[in-house]
Amino acid sequence: GNSVTQMEGPVTLSEEAFLTINCTYTATGYPSLFWYVQYPGEGLQLLLKATKADDKGSNKGFEATYRKETTSFHLEKGSVQVSDSAVYFCALSDQRYSSASKIIFGSGTRLSIRP
Amino acid sequence: DADVTQTPRNRITKTGKRIMLECSQTKGHDRMYWYRQDPGLGLRLIYYSFDVKDINKGEISDGYSVSRQAQAKFSLSLESAIPNQTALYFCATSDPTGTGAYEQFFGPGTRLTVL
Repeated sequence: GNSVTQMEGPVTLSEEAFLTINCTYTATGYPSLFWYVQYPGEGLQLLLKATKADDKGSNKGFEATYRKETTSFHLEKGSVQVSDSAVYFCALSDQRYSSASKIIFGSGTRLSIRP
Repeated sequence: DADVTQTPRNRITKTGKRIMLECSQTKGHDRMYWYRQDPGLGLRLIYYSFDVKDINKGEISDGYSVSRQAQAKFSLSLESAIPNQTALYFCATSDPTGTGAYEQFFGPGTRLTVL
């Protein structure tokens, strides 16, 4: 079945460091891919998305490119800030359930940024 | 005001009690979802609803029931709470007529503890 695998955390970086959080997926068809972010004490918020191969999603300095050949959607940011500390979830929309808009989530990666 | 609200935000209850978690949305979306989040497991789908007359089980529906009272309201009930239902519960909505990416919009969550 469809699934999402993302790197385990926690990830701890210093402020202004480069960030990569790896995400790979298994899916039939052509899913849409997402990164959601969960700040402490809050619900999930959509960070960025990509709907087809080679699309690049970007928001708040974060980027991820939909790579069909490697089935990956890695999250990157060139210079992280303390305010980026959160849990990040990679996800895909399962097109087998297109009528249900079902989303499959990875297990989440906790990111902590030191001042 | 938040587009997706959940009440209560925190609840502590005892084993065997009946509990209702409520979700309301002002986004005008037809589709609503209930998830639970456990550490290291990401989000798992409990129930989802296409509209007021259409309710479907997700991957972990045992021990839960739902009610879609109106387009804007979707309640989750635990008929007889047990300790392994201690988790963070999220409501979400989506609009299938948008970009087709099937992104979802989340409430702030309800932290439930069953003693």
